[in-house]
Amino acid sequence: AQSVTQLDSQVPVFEEAPVELRCNYSSSVSVYLFWYVQYPNQGLQLLLKYLSGSTLVKGINGFEAEFNKSQTSFHLRKPSVHISDTAEYFCAVSDGSGGYQKVTFGTGTKLQVIP
Amino acid sequence: NAGVMQNPRHLVRRRGQEARLRCSPMKGHSHVYWYRQLPEEGLKFMVYLQKENIIDESGMPKERFSAEFPKEGPSILRIQQVVRGDSAAYFCASSPPPYSDTEAFFGQGTRLTVV
Repeated sequence: AQSVTQLDSQVPVFEEAPVELRCNYSSSVSVYLFWYVQYPNQGLQLLLKYLSGSTLVKGINGFEAEFNKSQTSFHLRKPSVHISDTAEYFCAVSDGSGGYQKVTFGTGTKLQVIP
Repeated sequence: NAGVMQNPRHLVRRRGQEARLRCSPMKGHSHVYWYRQLPEEGLKFMVYLQKENIIDESGMPKERFSAEFPKEGPSILRIQQVVRGDSAAYFCASSPPPYSDTEAFFGQGTRLTVV
């Protein structure tokens, strides 16, 4: 079984400041990791994914994440946030059974960017 | 290439009625996933379907819920005799066959309100 823990339910941050959204996972097998963003009343959009290879993954909108196997973490970072980054962010994990696409989501972190 | 289309976007049902949620996958996608997002919670996997075949329904409630993905037409998530606790956002995602290096793409969701 696999699970995802997002440690912070809400993260307020001032505009142009850096941000880190934390994600830890547990899985007994190899994992594939994802970050999705959800804007109000919208569906989910993929920010980035880790399937294999380099542990530093760059995504859209200036976000990046680092896969740390020893710490079972996949934290999301952005060096300078914009008002438009205000949204809810979900970390997700797949063990690859039945493909990469069936994922288990965390409970989400609401990022509030303060002008 | 249109994205994943879900309709209706909003659905209101009285207790005891039936709810039918439709999902048309992206062109070329043969696999569909349904997730449920309860208020203030993350998305929970419900069911994974291939055309005319249910692959994994481990997340489906045992009663009142069913899903299908016929050879022709959209995937349908059906909820019989709805109760207030069914009020949630229901998201559909589609993907190419598993083990392709492509994540699932999400629709904008159907928000079900049971009154």
